[in-house]
Amino acid sequence: EVQVLESGGGLAQPGGSLRLSCAVSGFTFDNYAMTWVRQAPGKGLEWVSTISDTSVKTWYADSVKGRFTISRDNSKKTLYLQLNSLRAEDTAVYFCATGGGNFRPFDYWGQGTLVTVSS
Amino acid sequence: AIWMTQSPSSFSASTGDRVTITCRASQGFSSYLAWYQQKPGKAPKLLISAASTLQTGVPSRFSGSGSGTDFTLTINGLQSEDFATYYCQQYYAYPLTFGGGTKVEIK
Repeated sequence: EVQVLESGGGLAQPGGSLRLSCAVSGFTFDNYAMTWVRQAPGKGLEWVSTISDTSVKTWYADSVKGRFTISRDNSKKTLYLQLNSLRAEDTAVYFCATGGGNFRPFDYWGQGTLVTVSS
Repeated sequence: AIWMTQSPSSFSASTGDRVTITCRASQGFSSYLAWYQQKPGKAPKLLISAASTLQTGVPSRFSGSGSGTDFTLTINGLQSEDFATYYCQQYYAYPLTFGGGTKVEIK
């Protein structure tokens, strides 16, 4: 059974930083791209960033480019998202999902971790 | 970017109804289209990939069709557990984009 578990969310001040983690099990983690998707309160889904299986390639939404950094550790089967220069509009539930690269949809999702940016 | 427009944004239906949700892309991309179901407070769930391929375990009352710019999700015989929000998503080109969602409510 595939399990995807995010952590690291919480309250941050505008301009602050957070680091999200996503641990995956029951899945051949190092064979697939991984993705972060977010959902602001009461809003729809927004793709944030994808990283290729070997970390060679990364892609970002314009709304987070230059502020967020995606990375992964295949030995730990863990995906990360470093959030810097946070803004109020970054407040959302952040979901980790498998896929997003090589023409794959998002097969498996975690339950999400809430990031709140407020002073 | 490829923009995805879903319609309607919400509607009410009754158990047993046949419902259709449409998704239109701003440019064509073959069949790299997925449908997700999301219930309140839960993660999205992949229902259909490649426009029409039902995922393992998804009931056969769900079906998808279309290619190019116009896609459809159909639920034949709506069940109580199907009341949720549905999203289409293209995975052909970055930025990956979702439709705005269609909320299916109980009439």
